[in-house]
Amino acid sequence: ETGVTQSPTHLIKTRGQQVTLRCSSQSGHNTVSWYQQALGQGPQFIFQYYREEENGRGNFPPRFSGLQFPNYSSELNVNALELDDSALYLCASSLGEVSTDTQYFGPGTRLTVL
Amino acid sequence: DAKTTQPNSMESNEEEPVHLPCNHSTISGTDYIHWYRQLPSQGPEYVIHGLTSNVNNRMASLAIAEDRKSSTLILHRATLRDAAVYYCILREANNAGNMLTFGGGTRLMVKP
Repeated sequence: ETGVTQSPTHLIKTRGQQVTLRCSSQSGHNTVSWYQQALGQGPQFIFQYYREEENGRGNFPPRFSGLQFPNYSSELNVNALELDDSALYLCASSLGEVSTDTQYFGPGTRLTVL
Repeated sequence: DAKTTQPNSMESNEEEPVHLPCNHSTISGTDYIHWYRQLPSQGPEYVIHGLTSNVNNRMASLAIAEDRKSSTLILHRATLRDAAVYYCILREANNAGNMLTFGGGTRLMVKP
């Protein structure tokens, strides 16, 4: 029932390149969050957008940036890729920004940096 | 968000009940207890949440200790499809923004 989609499914890049990952949220969901999940670990919060503005950020450097669009789609951009950026990137959407709102996750994009 | 402690892994037999424990001894009065699970090759999915009282939904039950320092997620009849990593997460009710702070979770294995 999630309705959250992500593209591409898999991606291979080389160190130093830039990458853009895309997410399509559920219709009507004003909040999108992005998470990074390294192999064998729980997801780590990158940042959150509410009505097209960033309103929360985890412990990630500025080369991780994002955009949210009025049509409920969003992007995660990563510049100057490093080997440690290899991970599963998850987006999650929710109705609002209330802390008890359920987050609906997409299936993720698997990024490999060589 | 306050920290939670869960066993790394648990095993269950199919069609038997499963009790997944979570300790959160530093929980504050406004923290909600949320459970998410992540099936293989999928993103996490919401399971259940509660504040003080026990909660039931179609997926599971959540039993919260009287002092709220621990909780237990109960799957009444485990199926093979319930094999997943289960995350217990505390979320502060008054916190603007709704990031989830995931720990390592409990990997549940279900044997046929």
